[in-house]
Amino acid sequence: EIVLTQSPDTLSLSPGERATLSCRASQSVSSNYLAWYQQKPGQAPRLLIYGASSRATGIPDRFSGSGSGTDFTLTISRLEPEDFAMYYCQQYGSSPRTFGQGTKLEIK
Amino acid sequence: QVQLVQSGAEVKKPGSSVRVSCKASGGNFKSHTISWVRQAPGQGLEWMGGIIPVFAAPNYAQMFQGRVTITADESTSTAYMELSGLTSEDTAVYYCAQDSIPAAINAYFDFWGQGTLVTVSS
Repeated sequence: EIVLTQSPDTLSLSPGERATLSCRASQSVSSNYLAWYQQKPGQAPRLLIYGASSRATGIPDRFSGSGSGTDFTLTISRLEPEDFAMYYCQQYGSSPRTFGQGTKLEIK
Repeated sequence: QVQLVQSGAEVKKPGSSVRVSCKASGGNFKSHTISWVRQAPGQGLEWMGGIIPVFAAPNYAQMFQGRVTITADESTSTAYMELSGLTSEDTAVYYCAQDSIPAAINAYFDFWGQGTLVTVSS
């Protein structure tokens, strides 16, 4: 199975700053089938990005995804207070679908 | 807009089984895979398996093979996940999630249920 490793585990930033989250795969992700989810405490995950770079419906354009093969990035251009949460990457190019361990984005 | 509503929290004894339901509304239940994903306290997300209701052929993650059973009832647009041989390590929130694309091998999770907390304790 494909193992996804996210870095850093925790990212401490202030509102207005730029956030860069990384997701590295143990082998190439087929057709860049890579998604990003945001999860807040007590809530289900919410789809942000699919296909490595396509924003899901209703997601603000400050969120962007990039990358291919084994290295992917989620960028939040200017952090809003509501963006502080956990973020998970997930590959859906091969079975089993696997998730990264998550990056916690916290307020500095 | 698809809505997935899960059954309520459960407390179970070690060695027993639990069955969680996930009722869908507002979309095409029959042809979109419903997956189950669990999250232990303070931990990440783990895909357990999924089913395309119209085909009724589940697909399980290897680590849950033999312990998990996923079924779907088209008549009520409800999917079920049953996990047997419970231990304290199965204490987690269990989510159902629906694929974005019908009958697709490669699809991300478009819609999620609210989660069901299963606590395993003697």
